[in-house]
Formats: sequence, structure tokens, C-alpha cells
Amino acid sequence: EVHVVESGGNFVEPGGSLTLSCAASGFSFPFFAVSWLRQLPGKGLEWVSSVSGDGDKAFYTDSVKGRFTISRDNSKNAVSLHMSSLRAEDTAVYYCARVSGDFWSPENYFDYWGQGTLVTVSS
Amino acid sequence: QSALTQPASVSGSPGQSITISCTGTANDVGGYTYVSWYQQFSGKAPKLIIFDVSNRPSGVSTRFSGSKSGNTASLTISGLQPEDEADYYCCSFTSSLALLYVFGTGTKVSVL
Repeated sequence: EVHVVESGGNFVEPGGSLTLSCAASGFSFPFFAVSWLRQLPGKGLEWVSSVSGDGDKAFYTDSVKGRFTISRDNSKNAVSLHMSSLRAEDTAVYYCARVSGDFWSPENYFDYWGQGTLVTVSS
Repeated sequence: QSALTQPASVSGSPGQSITISCTGTANDVGGYTYVSWYQQFSGKAPKLIIFDVSNRPSGVSTRFSGSKSGNTASLTISGLQPEDEADYYCCSFTSSLALLYVFGTGTKVSVL
């Protein structure tokens, strides 16, 4: 059975940094891309970043480019999202999700999601 | 890149059918035959219920169906049941340079 579990959410001041972790199990991890998505309080879903199955390629939404870094360790079935220069508008529940293929392409979708971890950016 | 447009809320009585629309542009919904839909109960993680416009993952009720015409995708829930009360989001790949995937604004389904 596929499991995805996030951790690392916390309260942080504006300008601060935080690293989120995602632990996966139940599938052949290197064969699937992984994405981070977020949901602002009371709002809809937003795609944030994706990393390819081999970890060589990453993509980010414009609002986090240069501030967030996604990486993965296939030996540990884990993905991380390092967030720096955090802003109040980054406050959200962050979800880790498996992508249905090893790369991002039109036919892929988010087939397994974690329960989410809350990041609060406030002074 | 703006979010895909969905109605804020849709309601129906038990047993009825309801349809949620998801309108985008030729750069997303209209340009690809790969829309997905997600169901989210309050305080819970989203769950995939439709992929590739009209396919259901194993275990998802056949009461959920999807379709697409031009720049608009639709999710239909047939035989509406109280346990269908949740938020629903559509999602599409996008050719925008700003992001890879765009979600809909979300629709709250209420069972009267």
C-alpha cells in the first residue's frame, strides 16, 4: 500500500527558513516524480514544485523560484523542500504527492497525497 | 496564470445528479486531454477521483464521471449521497512558463 507522510511544518518568522520532509513507501520510489502542493488557509490548491524520479530535474512555480529548493534521496525514499526567505503569503498546509509518472507531462496527475503539514509565517 | 474557474458551490438532493464545471483556456484544459479531479473533505488531504478527463482510479464510485468539451471540463456526480458532501477541485497541465499544473478554484458540494 502506498503511503506518503509529510513532516517539518512549523511557525517561522518572515525571512526565516524551514525544511519540509516527505517519506514515501509502498512503491518503486525512483520511478515516480514527487510534487509539493499547498493550500492557503480557507483557499484552494496550488502546485508548488516537482522533482523528477531520478532527482536530476526540478520545476517551481514562479512565486517560489529562488527561495524554495526541492530535492530527493532515492536511497531513503524521501523528498525535501527547503524554504527560505519565507513570506506571510507562504502560510499554508503543504502536501507531498506522488506524480503518476517519473517526470511531469500533461498526462500525469497526483495519485497519492500525504496528510499535509502546516507552515505558518508570522511575526 | 489564473486558476481554472469553478462554481463556488453546487447543491442537490439525495439521488439527484449534479455537474461541476471547470473552465480554462487553450493553454490548459483546452490544450490537453488530461484533466484530473480531486475530492477533499474538510480538514483532510485531497483524493484523486478522476484522471485523464474521464477515468476513475480503482475503488472510486462509478457515480463519479468526467467529460470535457473545448476549454471546459465537467465532473458529474450521479445519485448524490450525503457522503459526497466535500470540496472538489479540477486540475490541468499548463503550457504557461510560470507553473506546470493549474488547479480550479474549488467547488463546495452540499447535499440538501
